[in-house]
Amino acid sequence: DVKVTQSSRYLVKRTGEKVFLECVQDMDHENMFWYRQDPGLGLRLIYFSYDVKMKEKGDIPEGYSVSREKKERFSLILESASTNQTSMYLCASSSGGNQETQYFGPGTRLLVL
Amino acid sequence: RKEVEQDPGPFNVPEGATVAFNCTYSNSASQSFFWYRQDCRKEPKLLMSVYSSGNEDGRFTAQLNRASQYISLLIRDSKLSDSATYLCVVNKGAAGNKLTFGGGTRVLVKP
Repeated sequence: DVKVTQSSRYLVKRTGEKVFLECVQDMDHENMFWYRQDPGLGLRLIYFSYDVKMKEKGDIPEGYSVSREKKERFSLILESASTNQTSMYLCASSSGGNQETQYFGPGTRLLVL
Repeated sequence: RKEVEQDPGPFNVPEGATVAFNCTYSNSASQSFFWYRQDCRKEPKLLMSVYSSGNEDGRFTAQLNRASQYISLLIRDSKLSDSATYLCVVNKGAAGNKLTFGGGTRVLVKP
C-alpha cells in the first residue's frame, strides 16, 4: 500500500519567512510532484522530479524552489512567503513504470499572514 | 481557456439515481485520461482510468470522445458514500508525463 506523508497538516507563517514543506514516500517511486490547490483553480503543478537531484518546473514555479537529495524525499521551499502563497499544498508520487497514476499525501494547509 | 474544464456543480442526486457529467480538454495531443475522486478535506485518489473504448468499474462508467475532446463519468445506483468531488485529469501529451487537473465536479448524494 503506497504511503505518502507530509510533514505538517496545518502551518501558519508570517510574510517574508522561509518555509519548508517536506514530503516522504515509502514505495521507492522515481517521480515526485508538488501541487497547490485553490478554490476554483484546481490543482496546479509547481515542480516535479523524475530522479534524485533532478527537478523541473511545473506550471507555477515562481516563488518556489525544491530539493530532492534522496529518492524518498521531496521538499518544497518558499524562500520568502507571501500572502498569495496561502493555499493547500499536495505532494504526490508515482512509479517509473506507471508514471501517471499519482498517489497523494494528505496535504499541508498553509496560511501566510 | 482552461486546459481542462468541468462543471463545478454541485449535482444534487437522490440516493439510487444515476448521475453523469462531462469534462472537456483542449490539448488534442493528450493520450491518457483519468477520473480522480477527492473527499472533503482529503487528498485526491485515482478512481479509474479512461480508455478509448470506454470502460466500466462496478457502478462507474467512463467514456472518451476524442473527436469532441471530452470525457464523461456516469454513476449508477448512487450511494451516499459517492458524495465527493470528481476531478477530471488529462496528461499533457507530447510535453511529457505531467498531468493537468480540472477544477472538479461536486456530487452530493442525498437520502
